Amino acid sequence: AQTVTQSQPEMSVQEAETVTLSCTYDTSESDYYLFWYKQPPSRQMILVIRQEAYKQQNATENRFSVNFQKAAKSFSLKISDSQLGDAAMYFCAYWGRLQGGSEKLVFGKGTKLTVNP
Amino acid sequence: SQTIHQWPATLVQPVGSPLSLECTVEGTSNPNLYWYRQAAGRGLQLLFYSVGIGQISSEVPQNLSASRPQDRQFILSSKKLLLSDSGFYLCAWYASGSVDEQFFGPGTRLTVL
Repeated sequence: AQTVTQSQPEMSVQEAETVTLSCTYDTSESDYYLFWYKQPPSRQMILVIRQEAYKQQNATENRFSVNFQKAAKSFSLKISDSQLGDAAMYFCAYWGRLQGGSEKLVFGKGTKLTVNP
Repeated sequence: SQTIHQWPATLVQPVGSPLSLECTVEGTSNPNLYWYRQAAGRGLQLLFYSVGIGQISSEVPQNLSASRPQDRQFILSSKKLLLSDSGFYLCAWYASGSVDEQFFGPGTRLTVL
């Protein structure tokens, strides 16, 4: 079964600085997708960035970028120029196949990011 | 555009009472639907998923059940709530055959006393 591990329960960063959130996963599949979701205090889940495993190029979305190391099964999120609005829980997720062919997201336990002014 | 609704937004129920949480999706057809639970300080745990009307699969044994009476309606139920059922419940959907994104509803905060 696929598993996702986020080893940093909490992280903090100064406003305008850069922070990296770690994520590792375990799978025997070769083709899959990885996601970072943000959950602010409102509890709404917001997609931050997505990476297709078959693409070697790291995904970027404005101030958010990933470091995808397929062989190491590592998928870290870098937030540049951190803003107060970036404060939230961040979840790493793996898109995998269930028995019977359907798919599901497997989530890590999350990292709580605090941005200090 | 697609929209996902959940209600109620918050719910406080006594132990042993029944539960019914509803999720509806607009703007798409034949979505794959999911129920997740998020306990305090923890990640999301997949409870149920459905690939079509009347088709329900359970990920973990528990006190809850799910039903999909219509294409875009997904219901989470319990006959008798336990204290351990407290948590934040999220409904989600994605378009079958696509992996662009799984869309989440606003969630229901359930407190069992």
